[in-house]
Amino acid sequence: DQQVKQNSPSLSVQEGRISILNCDYTNSMFDYFLWYKKYPAEGPTFLISISSIKDKNEDGRFTVFLNKSAKHLSLHIVPSQPGDSAVYFCAASEMFDTGNQFYFGTGTSLTVIP
Amino acid sequence: DVKVTQSSRYLVKRTGEKVFLECVQDMDHENMFWYRQDPGLGLRLIYFSYDVKMKEKGDIPEGYSVSREKKERFSLILESASTNQTSMYLCASSLYGLSTTDTQYFGPGTRLTVL
Repeated sequence: DQQVKQNSPSLSVQEGRISILNCDYTNSMFDYFLWYKKYPAEGPTFLISISSIKDKNEDGRFTVFLNKSAKHLSLHIVPSQPGDSAVYFCAASEMFDTGNQFYFGTGTSLTVIP
Repeated sequence: DVKVTQSSRYLVKRTGEKVFLECVQDMDHENMFWYRQDPGLGLRLIYFSYDVKMKEKGDIPEGYSVSREKKERFSLILESASTNQTSMYLCASSLYGLSTTDTQYFGPGTRLTVL
């Protein structure tokens, strides 16, 4: 059963506008959340993260918001640029005795139109 | 900078062949992972390892095995390749075993085609 869900497989946004990518999760034990960006034929690269004790984390054009009560997080990209066109994966981690286990969503393909 | 490398970017094998995918990380990370990525299914965990010679099954271990003889190297083995194992294989590593802010770093991936 998918514990991390990205319900929008794709998103198109005009250059300069805001891109909002959404992610929902079901496991209340998740304590750390990450966003990865993936270009075709490359591995995912880490983009930004947020701890469960925070509700917002910002890094340049990228901001991640966490709503724990709704089990929802979102990634905002402002302003969007054509180079942001990629697949974005949301991930969540849970700590066990032997280390952290990571759970990934199915990805959202973002296209930024020049 | 963390560097995770994978032995091949593209690989073509025949059904029934034994396939080895190698992954090496150069940052002394404790944890290593193998995923496969398929369209619409995201990243699915095959196996992971928290220490040398230690391995744990992920969500889809059937048809795969792994080996971790050295800390920096984690190998994925397809004992008898089948066409449904055609996929993008991604290796990842992470540093802290017991930190809530552990982050995974990925290699470039191996696109495996089984004919």
